[in-house]
Amino acid sequence: IQMTQSPSSLSASVGDRVTITCRASQRISSYVNWYQQKPGKAPKVLIYASSSLQSGVPSRFSGSGSGTDFTLTISSLQPEDFATYYCQQTYTVPITFGQGTRLEIK
Amino acid sequence: QVQLVQSGAEVKKPGSSVKVSCKASGGSFSSSAISWVRQAPGQGLEWMGGIIPNFVTANYAQRFQGRVTITADKSTRTAYMDLSSLTSEDTAVYYCASGPSDWRIDYWGQGTLVTVSS
Repeated sequence: IQMTQSPSSLSASVGDRVTITCRASQRISSYVNWYQQKPGKAPKVLIYASSSLQSGVPSRFSGSGSGTDFTLTISSLQPEDFATYYCQQTYTVPITFGQGTRLEIK
Repeated sequence: QVQLVQSGAEVKKPGSSVKVSCKASGGSFSSSAISWVRQAPGQGLEWMGGIIPNFVTANYAQRFQGRVTITADKSTRTAYMDLSSLTSEDTAVYYCASGPSDWRIDYWGQGTLVTVSS
């Protein structure tokens, strides 16, 4: 299953609302997770099962979608949110990641 | 809280093999899904394969099939990833990662840099 993320990069300002999308090559129910990765660090899960917020993750992060189209939304960007974001499908093995979205400061 | 501690950095010659270990503490090792994910310099995340120790049989991404072997030792709570026929394109950070049996990843190791160079 291919996961196509868009955009591949994004410039935004602190306080902006940002949406990242991920499209699956076939229907995958709600088996999508979203990760944040900062340079030199391992990724961290933000959202699992499309819309469930991982414990400890700020509520400005939210996810939605089912079937083939999924979104990650950050409601009000904070300085610590500038990072790379990946979607992942776990509907079936082999597990696949999107190619990533690099979120940069405008 | 699960902690995953990986073996140290490796430098390998083209054509050789590398074996990376990942020791888990905390949580239920045997029923967790252990994934191996690699990240080449400046590139994205790539799932190589994984294993649920209770089920023994590993699953692999097609592009690594035949070249990677993933195993797990329940007695020592350690997972292993063995990658053969190395080329310079295998230079990457290799992560072990774990989570529930639905393959979500909740915990990551610190990463192991494998450099392939003649």
